[in-house]
Amino acid sequence: GAGVSQTPSNKVTEKGKYVELRCDPISGHTALYWYRQSLGQGPEFLIYFQGTGAADDSGLPNDRFFAVRPEGSVSTLKIQRTERGDSAVYLCASSRNGGGGSPLHFGNGTRLTVT
Amino acid sequence: QKEVEQNSGPLSVPEGAIASLNCTYSDRGSQSFFWYRQYSGKSPELIMFIYSNGDKEDGRFTAQLNKASQYVSLLIRDSQPSDSATYLCALGNNDMRFGAGTRLTVKP
Repeated sequence: GAGVSQTPSNKVTEKGKYVELRCDPISGHTALYWYRQSLGQGPEFLIYFQGTGAADDSGLPNDRFFAVRPEGSVSTLKIQRTERGDSAVYLCASSRNGGGGSPLHFGNGTRLTVT
Repeated sequence: QKEVEQNSGPLSVPEGAIASLNCTYSDRGSQSFFWYRQYSGKSPELIMFIYSNGDKEDGRFTAQLNKASQYVSLLIRDSQPSDSATYLCALGNNDMRFGAGTRLTVKP
């Protein structure tokens, strides 16, 4: 079946602009995760959804970052007033059950560049 | 203290040797542990997961878990140049936290 799909694959934006990153998980997966990865670092946890609700958003760095999953499937990560430090690869992953007991399946990521 | 600690490497081994990758963690309540492989420019992909103390083998890969000492390791037997990648350790609590990864190079 189809894997996790992330769009766009690349996004270049100017400092101060608003961006949306989209993630379409594997069908039937109830858990969805967002990570941010900088060069040479491991994935940094941002937020975890179980169904429609954010089960853990402790990784969101500040209130410029927000994510939604209104119907329990597709999720959108929203970044307001982008800063150059937001430049990174944003990874989305889904798992069958969540709760840390199921392996994650990653999308190909969105490379965000803030100029 | 970071939740998941890995030696960033690089770790270099000759082809055919055993590569040993280690990970320590701080949360004694962690129940599930995962190893992912990440090739340069690609997304992480699952290699193995382990829930119970002891060893778990899958082909050339063996995961070892010691909850009392709070470490989990990954052994790669008969290392191949295609194993050259960054190996990420992850803890499966309510969220899923990753270490910084260990870069492995297998030299022909």
